[in-house]
Amino acid sequence: QQPVQSPQAVILREGEDAVINCSSSKALYSVHWYRQKHGEAPVFLMILLKGGEQKGHEKISASFNEKKQQSSLYLTASQLSYSGTYFCGTARNDYKLSFGAGTTVTVRA
Amino acid sequence: DTGVSQDPRHKITKRGQNVTFRCDPISEHNRLYWYRQTLGQGPEFLTYFQNEAQLEKSRLLSDRFSAERPKGSFSTLEIQRTEQGDSAMYLCASSPSTGDQPQHFGDGTRLSIL
Repeated sequence: QQPVQSPQAVILREGEDAVINCSSSKALYSVHWYRQKHGEAPVFLMILLKGGEQKGHEKISASFNEKKQQSSLYLTASQLSYSGTYFCGTARNDYKLSFGAGTTVTVRA
Repeated sequence: DTGVSQDPRHKITKRGQNVTFRCDPISEHNRLYWYRQTLGQGPEFLTYFQNEAQLEKSRLLSDRFSAERPKGSFSTLEIQRTEQGDSAMYLCASSPSTGDQPQHFGDGTRLSIL
């Protein structure tokens, strides 16, 4: 079942922070975050496993609350290069991902 | 480290024609996945291979769709008797066979049905 992402879109100025949320109605094995720029492949950012482990990539970090089946992606001190569509992919086993509809992030100078 | 390669990048065809796409995964990756992505949506899982074995097919994959990975290396996705609704980006991804590994995506094949 497809996870729900919010917000659908966010506009930031360089240096601002944002949070993207991803929630599932099913118990999850892991959550994967990707960023996709227009016309390009989704690029892997990070995996979060059961246990609430928080992992980071550059100034992007994430958390996973397995009790609530929710994950959040934190964009800190955003840069122009952070613009794109962010997808969470949720997995109930170790191979099959279900992706949300995405959150479009626009970072302006 | 070469990434996942897909060919062709774009395919335009008339309704009713058959099309075949190719995916070359990262060489040491045992797992290969096909997804379909339409405008404004995230990728949708179609099918998954572990080496040459096709282990799961989505219900989205009608009997007009077939995928193979004959030698456990490259994979092909064929769509027979294409329909307007088949227009989408077809993405291939690969990963190592151990769990908890990221799937690395190719740039996709964009299919347009006239």
